Amino acid sequence: QKEVEQNSGPLSVPEGAIASLNCTYSDRGSQSFFWYRQYSGKSPELIMFIYSNGDKEDGRFTAQLNKASQYVSLLIRDSQPSDSATYLCAVPSGYSTLTFGKGTMLLVSP
Amino acid sequence: SAVISQKPSRDICQRGTSLTIQCQVDSQVTMMFWYRQQPGQSLTLIATANQGSEATYESGFVIDKFPISRPNLTFSTLTVSNMSPEDSSIYLCSAAAGHSYEQYFGPGTRLTVT
Repeated sequence: QKEVEQNSGPLSVPEGAIASLNCTYSDRGSQSFFWYRQYSGKSPELIMFIYSNGDKEDGRFTAQLNKASQYVSLLIRDSQPSDSATYLCAVPSGYSTLTFGKGTMLLVSP
Repeated sequence: SAVISQKPSRDICQRGTSLTIQCQVDSQVTMMFWYRQQPGQSLTLIATANQGSEATYESGFVIDKFPISRPNLTFSTLTVSNMSPEDSSIYLCSAAAGHSYEQYFGPGTRLTVT
């Protein structure tokens, strides 16, 4: 059973700061990683995915993958109050299926 | 990305009854999935809805309790049968194109069983 671990938080950062969200996974063979954002009362929204070691940038978001250490991070630069949400990390667990972590709640204060 | 709709958005049901949730995708997709999310919890995969064959259920979920249909490449239904208050949850449908792992979610159905 593949496991995905995230700190539940909340992670509190001031507006304009960098928010760093971390995720560790158990299966050393995992090849791809996904970050979802879920606002309270809404469904998850795919915001980033990464397949190879290193960094992948998309606007204010950067995903970082370190396969040797089995962790993946999501950095949010210039955090805004609208970034306040729960961020879910997911890894493939079977034929097109994903295993989700419990999520980290991010609170960005104005 | 696919646009996914679900009906109903919420419902309050009595113990012992059944509810069927519909999931419609705006384009043909290979994979459709059904999840449950308890308040404050992460997503738990119930089953993969396979077009033209029986759904593939995850451990702890059975067809008699959660029958699933997938009549075509854009539509699926999940029925929650013989409901109890423990079935109160948000039920989410998702879809992935081709054999991609990139899943896109519907808005969810909030079910309360009294």
